[in-house]
Parts: sequence; structure tokens; C-alpha cells
Amino acid sequence: QITLKESGPTLVQPTQTLTLTCTFSGFSLTTTDVSVTWIRQLPGKALEWLALTYSNDDKRYSPSLKTRLTITKDTSEDQVVLTITNMDPVDTATYYCSHHIRGSGSSFWGQGHLVTVSS
Amino acid sequence: DIQLTQSPSFLSAFVGDRVTITCRASQGISSFLAWYQQKPGEAPKLLIHTASTLQSGVPSRFSGSGSGTEFTLTISSLQPEDFATYYCQQVDSYPITFGQGTRLEIK
Repeated sequence: QITLKESGPTLVQPTQTLTLTCTFSGFSLTTTDVSVTWIRQLPGKALEWLALTYSNDDKRYSPSLKTRLTITKDTSEDQVVLTITNMDPVDTATYYCSHHIRGSGSSFWGQGHLVTVSS
Repeated sequence: DIQLTQSPSFLSAFVGDRVTITCRASQGISSFLAWYQQKPGEAPKLLIHTASTLQSGVPSRFSGSGSGTEFTLTISSLQPEDFATYYCQQVDSYPITFGQGTRLEIK
């Protein structure tokens, strides 16, 4: 059974760096074409893809946020970490991690983690 | 970036109706398209991948078709639990992108 869960702060101040952790089970990030993907959803808005990392350390980022994003994986701990620098109130959103298969989409999702950016 | 445009953005229908949602890509993406259903307060749920393959456990009233730049999601007979927001997603190239969503409401 595949599960994922996001964790991290729920409140960050403007200009701070956000660190989110996705802890997963039921699959291995050493499997070809399997990735963990981060997606966010601003309140009342559409889904926005942020980044992903594959088993071969292939990493991809949203161009609009690339300078602020870093994705890393710890296969021994079954975790993937996303950091976003210089947080702004417009980054207030629910952040999801998902199990993603190349060319197919995200078949399993975490419950989502609401992050509010405010002073 | 590949832009995905869904139509309509809002749809009102009766239980039992057949509905179709369209997703148009700004350039060809072969069959690398997925459809998701999202209910308020919940994570999205994968319904269809590779344009027309039904995800395991998804009712057969959902179907997908298309290739290249035009895709459709059809619900053959709406059930009360189908009222939600639907998103298409292209996984052909990076960055992965989503449509703006179609909100399906009960009439």
C-alpha cells in the first residue's frame, strides 16, 4: 500500500525559507521512472506543479520558481524534501507530494499541507 | 511551457446526465494526458492516464479520449458523488502543467 505524507511548518514569515518533507512508504525511489512530485494549490485556485525527483537523481523544476526551489531525496529514509526560499504571502497554499510515474501522472497523493505566509 | 485550456470552466448538470469536458493543449502531447477529480478539502484523485486508460478502481462511467492537442473526459451518467472539480494534466514534457479546472455542480 502506497502512502505519502507531507510535514513542515504551517506558518512561515515573509522572506523565510520553507522546508517541507514528504515521507512515503509502499514504493522505492530506486525504481526506474518513479518519482516524488510536489504540487501546490493556492486558495481557490488550480493545481500548480513545482518539482520532481527520479531515482537516477534527475530533477525537474517549474521554470517560474526554479531559482527558489530545491528538491532532494533520501532513499534510505524514504523521504523527499522541498525547500522554497524567500517565501511571500502569495506562496500561501496547500502543498502536496505525490507518487508520479513518468508519462502517466500522480496515482497516489499525500493529504496536503497548508502553509500560510504571514508576519 | 505547454498550456492546457479546459472548457467549460463551469458546468451545471443533473444526476444521470452525460457530460463532456474538453482539454486543449497548446502543442501536441501525444497521449500523455491525465485527468484528476478533486473534491473540496481533499487531494486530487487520478481518474485517467495516457489519455484513455482508466485508473484502477475508477468507475467505468468515466472515460477519456483524444491525442495530440485535443482531449475529452466523459462521464456517461452523473452520480451525486461526481460533483467536483476536474483537472487535466500533461506529462509529455517539462514543466508538467495543469488545466485551470472545470467545476461541475449539481443542477
